[in-house]
Amino acid sequence: GESVGLHLPTLSVQEGDNSIINCAYSNSASDYFIWYKQESGKGPQFIIDIRSNMDKRQGQRVTVLLNKTVKHLSLQIAATQPGDSAVYFCAEKGISSASKIIFGSGTRLSIRP
Amino acid sequence: EAGVTQFPSHSVIEKGQTVTLRCDPISGHDNLYWYRRVMGKEIKFLLHFVKESKQDESGMPNNRFLAERTGGTYSTLKVQPAELEDSGVYFCASSQPGRGSPLHFGNGTRLTVT
Repeated sequence: GESVGLHLPTLSVQEGDNSIINCAYSNSASDYFIWYKQESGKGPQFIIDIRSNMDKRQGQRVTVLLNKTVKHLSLQIAATQPGDSAVYFCAEKGISSASKIIFGSGTRLSIRP
Repeated sequence: EAGVTQFPSHSVIEKGQTVTLRCDPISGHDNLYWYRRVMGKEIKFLLHFVKESKQDESGMPNNRFLAERTGGTYSTLKVQPAELEDSGVYFCASSQPGRGSPLHFGNGTRLTVT
């Protein structure tokens, strides 16, 4: 069945270091992948997305890597800052425009000063 | 542009009562989704509207949940009668047409059933 999961529920990173958040998915038909950031009291906020025909995409301080062979997705945050503290969700969507977005259980990122 | 807005932000009701959540999507977004996060777990899909039509309601837990989107603008999600396990945060999201359009989420409604 469809599922999106995360390897670690929590991640603690030293301020200034790079963060890597991992995600595994099981649906081979997934075509579109998204990372969301959720801060306390707010809804998930779009960070970056990637289509299945790509293996890497970069944004501002963030990079998403997609390995379709092992169905693995990762989010890299460069020079992690206190404002990066949040729960990060990966999500996937099928090829159809009618497909729903399926979320994983989230990874909580905490920053050590 | 204004984002997705949800009302109320918090609701505390007793078991057996009725609650109606409202979502105003971003203007022009045909797609409207309801999700919920229960007990800090993953964000679960409830249903998807395309304009006023229900595209996918496979995530609706049972017939105590009723979603509407009359006129294809705002949407309501009614829970009647509410049960303890309905407690959680209910998120609404909207997106433009197209499979590569990201969802824009509201800040959610925190529902507590006592």
